[in-house]
Amino acid sequence: DTAVSQTPKYLVTQMGNDKSIKCEQNLGHDTMYWYKQDSKKFLKIMFSYNNKELIINETVPNRFSPKSPDKAHLNLHINSLELGDSAVYFCASSQDRGRDTEAFFGQGTRLTVV
Amino acid sequence: DAKTTQPTSMDCAEGRAANLPCNHSTISGNEYVYWYRQIHSQGPQYIIHGLKNNETNEMASLIITEDRKSSTLILPHATLRDTAVYYCIVRPNDYKLSFGAGTTVTVRA
Repeated sequence: DTAVSQTPKYLVTQMGNDKSIKCEQNLGHDTMYWYKQDSKKFLKIMFSYNNKELIINETVPNRFSPKSPDKAHLNLHINSLELGDSAVYFCASSQDRGRDTEAFFGQGTRLTVV
Repeated sequence: DAKTTQPTSMDCAEGRAANLPCNHSTISGNEYVYWYRQIHSQGPQYIIHGLKNNETNEMASLIITEDRKSSTLILPHATLRDTAVYYCIVRPNDYKLSFGAGTTVTVRA
């Protein structure tokens, strides 16, 4: 079983559309994250939830909205997609939000906006 | 946030030890050093982390200098599958894992 799974793996969509990426972890972790990796390969944190509560909200457009229906899921909704949103989005989870806790990443969702 | 400095790239021979350096001269006393790697087209993979003491697990060893201003990740017997980008990260008090450019490690046969 995959520990952190994301769907879909690939997503091609037109500008202006609204899309969602789903993430599920079966590790029993309390904390989940969304990261974005752009064409320059830098990984930047976008959001983090701990026990369904938003704890990290980096400066991202408000077209991006995370939703955590329960501790095992953290979905990312993106409205009015733009060309610059094209990137690989990674979901991750960790047991808690402590400094002494490693994070496990999913395999990524490659989003292409055309 | 404490910054890290890593070489842009390095090569190593298959079967030999790979020593990856990282400088973090502004690290604070309660900040951990983490190492992750990203193999092409995959998600980042946790390798190891430590605070003050040297650490070892099934993947690697982490050597942290006594003043904590630098560390070295050691892959004891590099294989072709270890070719990846390796990230050294100092985890600050806000709990974020912030990735830099990392070191591109190429293991050659």
